[in-house]
Amino acid sequence: DIVMTQSPDSLAVSLGERATINCKSSQSVLYGSNNKNYLAWYQQKPGQPPKLLIYWASTRESGVPDRFSGSGSGTEFTLIISSLQAEDVAVYYCQQYYNSPFTFGPGTKVDIK
Amino acid sequence: QVQLVQSGAEVKRPGASVKVSCNVSGYTLTELAIYWVRQAPGKGLEWMGGYDPEDGDTTYEQKFQGRVTMTEDTSTDTAYLELSSLRSEDTAVYYCAADNLHSGSCFYWGQGTLVSVSS
Repeated sequence: DIVMTQSPDSLAVSLGERATINCKSSQSVLYGSNNKNYLAWYQQKPGQPPKLLIYWASTRESGVPDRFSGSGSGTEFTLIISSLQAEDVAVYYCQQYYNSPFTFGPGTKVDIK
Repeated sequence: QVQLVQSGAEVKRPGASVKVSCNVSGYTLTELAIYWVRQAPGKGLEWMGGYDPEDGDTTYEQKFQGRVTMTEDTSTDTAYLELSSLRSEDTAVYYCAADNLHSGSCFYWGQGTLVSVSS
């Protein structure tokens, strides 16, 4: 199975400041034949189901604010919230869908400083 | 837009089985890959498996093999998750999720079904 790790476990950022979350996979999730990274990012607020933010590592889902961006390739990925808003307080998960089982990272909790 | 509506909360005894339903609207089941993800109280997301009609494969996370069955009724656009031999560690919110791009990512989510296992 591909193991996903995230760092940090949690972070507190001032409103309007940048938040950076890292995700690493135990093996590459880059599929050579289509040059796509099989990596997604989700946001989960308390009491709600997760919400897809980013897929193919850097494609923003429709309706997701452009302050959210994803980058990286192979085994190392980053989610950036460029200017943190109060409504961004949540837990963020990465997920690989390169190989079954489509494993999730342990999550990163984002709070307001 | 896809909407997924799941069945209500369940309370089960250890050793029992539970069947959770997920009704799809906005698309037909034949157009979607459906995955099941669970979340124990205060914990992270755990992928359980899923079915993609594009390749016709049902895939289960190995830790659930032998206890889990994922089925679909295309006449009612309803997907089902059945988990047997329940133990206390199976207490969790169970989510269905849908993928209309057949990529493996979860674009749409149900509201979740709490399954509590307690003697």
